[in-house]
Amino acid sequence: QQQVKQSPQSLIVQKGGIPIINCAYENTAFDYFPWYQQFPGKGPALLIAIRPDVSEKKEGRFTISFNKSAKQFSLHIMDSQPGDSATYFCAASKGNTGNQFYFGTGTSLTVIP
Amino acid sequence: ETGVTQSPTHLIKTRGQQVTLRCSSQSGHNTVSWYQQALGQGPQFIFQYYREEENGRGNFPPRFSGLQFPNYSSELNVNALELDDSALYLCASSLAGQNYGYTFGSGTRLTVV
Repeated sequence: QQQVKQSPQSLIVQKGGIPIINCAYENTAFDYFPWYQQFPGKGPALLIAIRPDVSEKKEGRFTISFNKSAKQFSLHIMDSQPGDSATYFCAASKGNTGNQFYFGTGTSLTVIP
Repeated sequence: ETGVTQSPTHLIKTRGQQVTLRCSSQSGHNTVSWYQQALGQGPQFIFQYYREEENGRGNFPPRFSGLQFPNYSSELNVNALELDDSALYLCASSLAGQNYGYTFGSGTRLTVV
């Protein structure tokens, strides 16, 4: 059973566009929601993360929107650049145990120059 | 400060063989987690080690086992390899009790033929 559902599977945008990637979860015990960026041949790198006590978090060109009642969160990339072309994963974990992260299935983003 | 390093980067094994993958955690981190990432999928949690003991396990059979050493480095051992074990194996280190600051290595690409 997929604990975190991610969409779309792939996304193509023009340079300067705002790609949006969506994730949904069921387990209300989740209290930490990170987004990871992964380039081919590399491990995932933490991009930005949010906790459910806030509805939005911005770091540079990256913004997470969080809807606790709908159990959904999304990643927005402002002014997207070709260098943003990568696979993006949402994830969720519960408690401050640092234990298991549940990942979405990933979104392959291509930014066309 | 060094990041998470994994070895080897690539490995080809024959079905039925055994394999050992290695991970050196980031300086200052005391917890190591292992993930399996099949092609086109998100990482799946295998297990986590803290204080040289298993501290949580995902839905993987016992032929997946691990070790953590006093210097916090870790090994992942897989016995009786199956074709479906072909994947990118990721190691992530963190501080116990913190589900942020999770740092991944670049992974070991295992191919079982």
